[in-house]
Parts: sequence; structure tokens; C-alpha cells
Amino acid sequence: QQQVKQSPQSLIVQKGGISIINCAYENTAFDYFPWYQQFPGKGPALLIAIRPDVSEKKEGRFTISFNKSAKQFSLHIMDSQPGDSATYFCAASGLTGGGNKLTFGTGTQLKVEL
Amino acid sequence: DVKVTQSSRYLVKRTGEKVFLECVQDMDHENMFWYRQDPGLGLRLIYFSYDVKMKEKGDIPEGYSVSREKKERFSLILESASTNQTSMYLCASSFWQNEKLFFGSGTQLSVL
Repeated sequence: QQQVKQSPQSLIVQKGGISIINCAYENTAFDYFPWYQQFPGKGPALLIAIRPDVSEKKEGRFTISFNKSAKQFSLHIMDSQPGDSATYFCAASGLTGGGNKLTFGTGTQLKVEL
Repeated sequence: DVKVTQSSRYLVKRTGEKVFLECVQDMDHENMFWYRQDPGLGLRLIYFSYDVKMKEKGDIPEGYSVSREKKERFSLILESASTNQTSMYLCASSFWQNEKLFFGSGTQLSVL
């Protein structure tokens, strides 16, 4: 069964700190790894994504680190701000026996405190 | 501004009722998706469609069906609602398969 395991379930970080969320996958056919951000009352929105041909991708304060051999990827939020408080989902997709479907992790609720 | 609109924000239905959840996108996207979101389980794919009148099962299609008669509209149907279908339902669309999904704000369905 396709699985993407995400941790931690919840995270509290002080303003200005670094938030780190980790994901691990099993299926080596996965070749696209996005992160989505969801605010209360809204649907998720794409934040940043990476393909396995690079080990890191940075967009502003958000960085994805990718470790292909360990089958792990993580989201780092530098200089975390209260406005970053949201639920974050990692996901993965690729051609598999079940077709090209996007599989999400279980989500991490991030709270950034002043 | 791109938009995915779900017809209802909150919906309360009785067990056994037939339920229709409607979703419309204004981006001329080929691909549309229905997910359900439950605490601790993340987002799980119910059905998706890569073209008009085309549908494919996701990971949890049991108890659901879909209809896509027009490119912009994707409907999720609960043939006979059950209490275990109480959930947040999210519709999404994309231009290129699984890349950059645009989500609606969701429909919180309660089945009593």
C-alpha cells in the first residue's frame, strides 16, 4: 500500500525559530514531492515541491531537503512567524501499480508563538 | 484569480439519504479530484477525473460515485449516506495531473 508517513503530528515553535517537519515514503516509484499549507477554513494550497534529481529546494523561508537513499524529505521553515501557523501536508506521487495518484501524509499542525 | 467553488460549506444529512456534493472550477483544468479530510488521517483520494465523462477510483471509493458531464463541474455522490461518511470533503483541480492542485474551501458533511 502506498504510504507517506509524516511527523510530528503537532509542533510549537517560538517566533524566529526553525520549524522542521519530516516525511518518509516507501514507494521508490514516487518522483514528485510537494508540500501543502492549509489555514483554518480554507483548502490546502501548494507551498513548495521537489523532484528527486535535486537534494534541496529553497523558496524564501521555506526549504525542502530530500534524501533519496533514505526515502525521506523534510520541510524547514526558517525565521518562523505567527502567520505560518497552519497545518502542513507532505505528499508524493509517481507512476505506480495504482496509477499516478497523489498520496498525502497525515498532516502537522504548526503553531508559532510570539 | 483562480477559483474552485464547492456548493455548500456545511451540510447535514440523515443516514440513507442520497447526497450530492458539487464542485465547479473556472480555470479550464482537465483534472479534478475529490478528497476527504479526517483528523489524523490526512487527505485521502476518493475519485478523480482526467477528462470529461472519465473517472477513476482513488484509494477509498467505496460508498461514493462521481459524475463529470462538463469540464468545469465534478460532482461527488453518496448513494446512501452513512455516519462513517461524516467528514470534510475537498474538491481540487489541476492543469497537469498531480502538479499544483487548487483546492476548494471544503464541505463539512455531517450524517446523523
